[in-house]
Amino acid sequence: GAVVSQHPSRVICKSGTSVKIECRSLDFQATTMFWYRQFPKKSLMLMATSNEGSKATYEQGVEKDKFLINHASLTLSTLTVTSAHPEDSSFYICSARDARETQYFGPGTRLLVL
Amino acid sequence: GENVEQHPSTLSVQEGDSAVIKCTYSDSASNYFPWYKQELGKRPQLIIDIRSNVGEKKDQRIAVTLNKTAKHFSLHITETQPEDSAVYFCAALEQGAQKLVFGQGTRLTINP
Repeated sequence: GAVVSQHPSRVICKSGTSVKIECRSLDFQATTMFWYRQFPKKSLMLMATSNEGSKATYEQGVEKDKFLINHASLTLSTLTVTSAHPEDSSFYICSARDARETQYFGPGTRLLVL
Repeated sequence: GENVEQHPSTLSVQEGDSAVIKCTYSDSASNYFPWYKQELGKRPQLIIDIRSNVGEKKDQRIAVTLNKTAKHFSLHITETQPEDSAVYFCAALEQGAQKLVFGQGTRLTINP
């Protein structure tokens, strides 16, 4: 199957700082990528849909000014958590969709805000 | 929008037995249904998917069945092995927004 990478895998930051997470589709082009948040023992919660060359579509309740998404190329989407607080600590996972609508997930980023 | 319900939330079976996980969906326009397996701390991995133009698909020990009329689909794992232990998520593709809606997940434990 297709490969999606995500970087960093783990990050610890101080409260009030910003953190950028990168998601890359390594062997296919993805006009659409997705960003999820997953709490322990819970399902995947979609945060936003990232569209190449246009603004992201955010799910209800997700603050677009806090979770900045940029999809500048067909293989890269970034999520920036701005002014991070301890409640933003979570497992963030991206996915990329190929031409057949199949979604492949990245390995996830575990964020800890102190 | 689409709503997906998944049952059971936990499932424990003896090694070698079969496991079945069921999902229902609400939007009859949905036409793509993938299943993902997620091991602890890892990414969800696509294990099988089905589109609404077929009723069943099989890949070795894994099969998925789809009943469009009843709006439910199921994952079947035969001859289970310890490495099948994981959390399994079903999903349905919401046509309008073109996004996957996930079920709540099933924690499958294979007992040796």
